[in-house]
Amino acid sequence: KAGVTQTPRYLIKTRGQQVTLSCSPISGHRSVSWYQQTPGQGLQFLFEYFSETQRNKGNFPGRFSGRQFSNSRSEMNVSTLELGDSALYLCASSLADYNEQFFGPGTRLTVL
Amino acid sequence: AQSVTQPDIHITVSEGASLELRCNYSYGATPYLFWYVQSPGQGLQLLLKYFSGDTLVQGIKGFEAEFKRSQSSFNLRKPSVHWSDAAEYFCAVGAHQGAQKLVFGQGTRLTINP
Repeated sequence: KAGVTQTPRYLIKTRGQQVTLSCSPISGHRSVSWYQQTPGQGLQFLFEYFSETQRNKGNFPGRFSGRQFSNSRSEMNVSTLELGDSALYLCASSLADYNEQFFGPGTRLTVL
Repeated sequence: AQSVTQPDIHITVSEGASLELRCNYSYGATPYLFWYVQSPGQGLQLLLKYFSGDTLVQGIKGFEAEFKRSQSSFNLRKPSVHWSDAAEYFCAVGAHQGAQKLVFGQGTRLTINP
């Protein structure tokens, strides 16, 4: 069974632009979570989607948004990029509640 | 609020030596606990998990962890490390529906001396 895939793997943007990252979960997994990883703040939870509904949200500004499609694929969007948004964005999927999360390789976003 | 503390930012051990990585958590209910490993430029790989039952859990790559409720700890151990174990290790506690929002510790970077 294929793992979690994320596209693109690397992205360079400039301040003020917006970006969309994509995540395809493991087949059959319905929950998708997103995390931001930076050297200073570590791994921080962004949001979680289940059956196209956002169930949980972390403490990030409204510039960070996401959605989930009927096939469980998910996208996250960051608008009006700031230098501090440079990070590794990780997506994780799980089969259901009370199950472990499996992570993708991440998208490395650099904001110049 | 949930929190996870990994007291050791960086640990160096010799190949073949034993390893213990510390993790302390704060969570009001029964915790769902995880250890993940991350190699440079990679995502996170699940080493092991604790949901309930036996407090000593076995994981992949020869790792094990022990849940001690009285100490709010979930330390990771390996009897003999290999050079390929060099990586960053993250302890996490799951919140909301058991595991759908993970709170991570700051990580412990493991270096292996030949």
